[in-house]
Amino acid sequence: DTGVSQDPRHKITKRGQNVTFRCDPISEHNRLYWYRQTLGQGPEFLTYFQNEAQLEKSRLLSDRFSAERPKGSFSTLEIQRTEQGDSAMYLCASSPPSQGSGYTFGSGTRLTVV
Amino acid sequence: AQSVTQPDIHITVSEGASLELRCNYSYGATPYLFWYVQSPGQGLQLLLKYFSGDTLVQGIKGFEAEFKRSQSSFNLRKPSVHWSDAAEYFCAVGSTGGGNKLTFGTGTQLKVEL
Repeated sequence: DTGVSQDPRHKITKRGQNVTFRCDPISEHNRLYWYRQTLGQGPEFLTYFQNEAQLEKSRLLSDRFSAERPKGSFSTLEIQRTEQGDSAMYLCASSPPSQGSGYTFGSGTRLTVV
Repeated sequence: AQSVTQPDIHITVSEGASLELRCNYSYGATPYLFWYVQSPGQGLQLLLKYFSGDTLVQGIKGFEAEFKRSQSSFNLRKPSVHWSDAAEYFCAVGSTGGGNKLTFGTGTQLKVEL
C-alpha cells in the first residue's frame, strides 16, 4: 500500500476552465475527505464520503464544485468555471471507520488559476 | 462549533533546544486532538493523537503532547530539536460524532537555527 495518491501534483489553468483532480485512498479506508488549503492557513474541510455516499459538504463548496466517489474507491473533485480565488492546495485524506482515527493525507494538488 | 487556536505564527529555536508549540481548542465535549506536520509543498503527516486516557501522549520523531482539559490546551513538545524538524505544524480537533471531520488551526511555522 503506497498511501493516499493524488493526481496531478500541480495544475495551472486559465480562469473559466474546468479542472478535475483525482484521489486514490488507502484501500481499506472507507472514509475519504477533501480539504482546501490556502497560503498561511490550515486545511479547511470541503466534503467527505463514507464508501460511495457523500455525507457532508461544507458551505465553502459552491455550486461550481462537485465531488464523486463511484464504487467507494477513488474520488474526483471537479471545479467548473475556475476563478482566481480557487487557487489553493487541494488535499485528499482517508481514514478507517474507527472513530477518532487520524487521517492519512495525500501530497495534494496545487491549483493555480491565471 | 469546534475551533482551534495556534497563537504563534512563527517560532525560531536553536538546534538542540527544547520546543513547545501551543494549541488551544474549543469543543463541547471531550475532543479528539491531533498534531500534524507539513513540509513545503507536501501533505500533512500525523505526529500524534489523543482520544482518552493518559493525558501525555507520545508520537513519532520524539514529539509528545499533553492534554489539559482545564486549560483547553494540547501543546506539542520536543526536548531537543533537530534541523530536520523545520516545518509547519498544525493542531486539529476532531468531532466525536459523524464523520471524524477535523478542524485545523492556522499553523505554526518552525524555523531551526544551526
